[in-house]
Amino acid sequence: KNQVEQSPQSLIILEGKNCTLQCNYTVSPFSNLRWYKQDTGRGPVSLTIMTFSENTKSNGRYTATLDADTKQSSLHITASQLSDSASYICVVSAGNDMRFGAGTRLTVKP
Amino acid sequence: EAGVAQSPRYKIIEKRQSVAFWCNPISGHATLYWYQQILGQGPKLLIQFQNNGVVDDSQLPKDRFSAERLKGVDSTLKIQPAKLEDSAVYLCASTVGPTYEQYFGPGTRLTVT
Repeated sequence: KNQVEQSPQSLIILEGKNCTLQCNYTVSPFSNLRWYKQDTGRGPVSLTIMTFSENTKSNGRYTATLDADTKQSSLHITASQLSDSASYICVVSAGNDMRFGAGTRLTVKP
Repeated sequence: EAGVAQSPRYKIIEKRQSVAFWCNPISGHATLYWYQQILGQGPKLLIQFQNNGVVDDSQLPKDRFSAERLKGVDSTLKIQPAKLEDSAVYLCASTVGPTYEQYFGPGTRLTVT
């Protein structure tokens, strides 16, 4: 059973619009949560990493939130660009054990 | 700083053939991971090395997959014999230590026909 669930599975938005991706997890005990961006044909690249005590963290137009009580995280992308088209993967760590979500495939259209 | 290097980038083989992938991690990174990523899914850990020792290989299909990191630097992942369901992207990642950020290579896309 995958302990990291992401939604939606795929998303299409127009350039300039905002969007929010969701990650729910049941991994325990929680160490940290990472959001990765994976362009087609490339390896994942880290966007943010959040520990238990952090509620929000930004990286440019990307803002991640974490609610450790409800075990939910979101990744908000502001003013989307064509280059944001990629898969976004949520990864939750429990010590040395890392659990990957299946990702959300985002397509930004002009 | 050079990133994680992998080769080849693409490989097409027939089922029952053998194949090997190579990974060169970032200099100084003691921890190295191999992942299998099937299309539309997130990466699945196959094996984790700490220097030249295996930390976790619980999800490695040991009847056909093998990996080594003899000198604690480069690593190779081998599949022998390959099956159709092995078609995937094989990602290598490295990190300074197990709880630090992972840096991924570009992956090797394997197609088994």
